[in-house]
Amino acid sequence: GENVEQHPSTLSVQEGDSAVIKCTYSDSASNYFPWYKQELGKRPQLIIDIRSNVGEKKDQRIAVTLNKTAKHFSLHITETQPEDSAVYFCAAMERYSTLTFGKGTMLLVSP
Amino acid sequence: NAGVTQTPKFRVLKTGQSMTLLCAQDMNHEYMYWYRQDPGMGLRLIHYSVGEGTTAKGEVPDGYNVSRLKKQNFLLGLESAAPSQTSVYFCASRPLLGQGNQPQHFGDGTRLSIL
Repeated sequence: GENVEQHPSTLSVQEGDSAVIKCTYSDSASNYFPWYKQELGKRPQLIIDIRSNVGEKKDQRIAVTLNKTAKHFSLHITETQPEDSAVYFCAAMERYSTLTFGKGTMLLVSP
Repeated sequence: NAGVTQTPKFRVLKTGQSMTLLCAQDMNHEYMYWYRQDPGMGLRLIHYSVGEGTTAKGEVPDGYNVSRLKKQNFLLGLESAAPSQTSVYFCASRPLLGQGNQPQHFGDGTRLSIL
């Protein structure tokens, strides 16, 4: 089955800096890659996603890049704010619409 | 439009007790999923369903059973609870694959402690 590795596990930045979280996947058949943000005690919420026919997607301060050849994708957050502090999960979709999640990155943005 | 609703939100069980977690969605989604979330482990798929009357095993199915008798409901059962099943359980749903790769929508979770 699919295996998703996510790095780093913890990331601390100063407000206004950029943050980058990286994920690799193992199944070349995976074709959909969402990113979820989870605040403490809350549900995971989709923040951005990318499909395998696209190399990059941007939504305001958030962008995701995908390299199918290398089987890795990354989340980029620019101009970070304290409210960006949360745990971020990457995921890859394989057969039957099941998602395999990375283990998460705790992002801490200091004022 | 409530989305995905999980019942109960919290529960404490004793080892060996049984219980059922209910997930209900009002978005007419075909696919439904049960995950468990443990510290440092991310979200792991327990069981899933691709339509009414169908279920399939995920990554960590042992000790759990599921049923999808109605399209809008997906039940997760623990027949004999064990302390290793202490976790936060999330339900999710999404539309049929033919409508394009759509994201999964999550419920608020059920926090389950087994003593």
